[in-house]
Amino acid sequence: AQSVTQLDSQVPVFEEAPVELRCNYSSSVSVYLFWYVQYPNQGLQLLLKYLSGSTLVKGINGFEAEFNKSQTSFHLRKPSVHISDTAEYFCAVRGNRGSTLGRLYFGRGTQLTVWP
Amino acid sequence: NAGVTQTPKFQVLKTGQSMTLQCAQDMNHNSMYWYRQDPGMGLRLIYYSASEGTTDKGEVPNGYNVSRLNKREFSLRLESAAPSQTSVYFCASSGKGRADTQYFGPGTRLTVL
Repeated sequence: AQSVTQLDSQVPVFEEAPVELRCNYSSSVSVYLFWYVQYPNQGLQLLLKYLSGSTLVKGINGFEAEFNKSQTSFHLRKPSVHISDTAEYFCAVRGNRGSTLGRLYFGRGTQLTVWP
Repeated sequence: NAGVTQTPKFQVLKTGQSMTLQCAQDMNHNSMYWYRQDPGMGLRLIYYSASEGTTDKGEVPNGYNVSRLNKREFSLRLESAAPSQTSVYFCASSGKGRADTQYFGPGTRLTVL
């Protein structure tokens, strides 16, 4: 089975500052990794995903994440945030072999609040 | 192309009442999912359907039933609602590959009094 830990439940930051949202995972098999964003009163939308290859993954809205296998981490970063980035962010992991269910495991979420 | 649609958007029930949450997707996806979202808990999988005619329990299936009516539609039924089922419910769909993205509906906010 897999599990995900998002280390910060809330991250406040000022507009145009850089931000990092931290995610660690545990798994007995190799994994696919995902970051989703949820704007208020909406469903989840994919930001980016790591499947294989380059460990630096670029997503929508200027976000990027780096897969670190040795540290089992997949931290999300943005060099300069906007007020419109205020949302909840979810890290998720899915085993790429083994269980026939192949379910997606979500972290508990990080609320990013960008202040003017 | 509407993606994943859910009805209703909001619902208030009394304890013991029953209801069915509807979900439909128009992306020709094989797999469909039902999650619930509670504050500080992230998303937890209730039930999953890998393909038409199959369903599997997820992490929190108790108190729920599902029906994969056809490839497009996947419904979630609460037979006897309890206050612990107050939550936001999301339906999602994806292709059958493990690398495939899950696409989410807008959610149903359910309150059980």
